[in-house]
Amino acid sequence: SQTIHQWPATLVQPVGSPLSLECTVEGTSNPNLYWYRQAAGRGLQLLFYSVGIGQISSEVPQNLSASRPQDRQFILSSKKLLLSDSGFYLCAWGGTDTQYFGPGTRLTVL
Amino acid sequence: KNQVEQSPQSLIILEGKNCTLQCNYTVSPFSNLRWYKQDTGRGPVSLTIMTFSENTKSNGRYTATLDADTKQSSLHITASQLSDSASYICVVSPYGNNRLAFGKGNQVVVIP
Repeated sequence: SQTIHQWPATLVQPVGSPLSLECTVEGTSNPNLYWYRQAAGRGLQLLFYSVGIGQISSEVPQNLSASRPQDRQFILSSKKLLLSDSGFYLCAWGGTDTQYFGPGTRLTVL
Repeated sequence: KNQVEQSPQSLIILEGKNCTLQCNYTVSPFSNLRWYKQDTGRGPVSLTIMTFSENTKSNGRYTATLDADTKQSSLHITASQLSDSASYICVVSPYGNNRLAFGKGNQVVVIP
């Protein structure tokens, strides 16, 4: 069966510090991968998606970036965090029929 | 623009009672509609998925309905339990692309 992992589970970072969130998927090959952000009281916002290694599509211009160095690994990064980057970050895999979500990372920027 | 609107935004119900959550969408062309349950601090978990030709789908005490003509869906929770306290998110998939349309969720709190 397929499993999706995210880490860390929670993170508290100062403004201006770098960020690296990791997502890995097991049990499937060449999955479509997604990064979402969920702010308090708001719906999920698609940040990036990837259909293959090295292929990244950005949905929202911001100070975040994503990379896919391996087939089942998806990384969300930032060089300098902003207060507005606080939120719940979800990784997902799947396609148009269904998407399966990871457990999420709670990021607080102080 | 593909949009999904959910109501009510939040509700409190007594344990054992039933409740119904609403979802209206403007997504076109339509592929499928899915209801997710998201516990606080966790990732969303799929409850039901319905395609254009399906009117109702059940998963235990959860029953989803779909009216593709009026572009409305509902999620009915029967005999609510404390563990039903969560956010319920309506997600609509447009045909032919990966960009799902998400509602903001219905926040349900079940009290004893």
